[in-house]
Amino acid sequence: EDKVVQSPLSLVVHEGDTVTLNCSYEVTNFRSLLWYKQEKKAPTFLFMLTSSGIEKKSGRLSSILDKKELFSILNITATQTGDSAIYLCAVYGQNFVFGPGTRLSVLP
Amino acid sequence: DVKVTQSSRYLVKRTGEKVFLECVQDMDHENMFWYRQDPGLGLRLIYFSYDVKMKEKGDIPEGYSVSREKKERFSLILESASTNQTSMYLCASSYSAGSYGYTFGSGTRLTVV
Repeated sequence: EDKVVQSPLSLVVHEGDTVTLNCSYEVTNFRSLLWYKQEKKAPTFLFMLTSSGIEKKSGRLSSILDKKELFSILNITATQTGDSAIYLCAVYGQNFVFGPGTRLSVLP
Repeated sequence: DVKVTQSSRYLVKRTGEKVFLECVQDMDHENMFWYRQDPGLGLRLIYFSYDVKMKEKGDIPEGYSVSREKKERFSLILESASTNQTSMYLCASSYSAGSYGYTFGSGTRLTVV
């Protein structure tokens, strides 16, 4: 059975801190891994990763995939209160499988 | 931009009622999906559809059915609502499965009393 695990499930930091969110997976016929940010409404797309070792970057957010060890990390540097959200990792194999999410709270 | 519209943001229904949740996308996407989201459990796939009149069960189809009579519309049906179906329901669509993932609707928070 396909499985996606995220850690930590919850994280509280102060503005300016750097955070690393983890996603590990066991998926049949892996095709891609995606990160989403969910605030009050629906998840919004952040990154899609298909190749190992290539960092995707968008502003203060970056992500990298390790297909050998079956995990990905999402880094956020210089966190801001607007980064407070649930960060979802999803892996596409036979279908999309979502992890439970990491709830990040950034305090002023 | 792709838009996925869910017809209701909040719904309150009584136990035993038949409930319809509607989802419409405007970009001619092939694939549409229904998820429910519960605290600590993440997003769980209920049903999906890769074509008109085609449907496939996801991980938790019990108590639900779906209808896709037109490409742009994917409806989730709760045949007889129960309190354990109180949840946030998210619809999503994609052009081809896996290509940049999904675009999600804004969700319907359903409360069954």
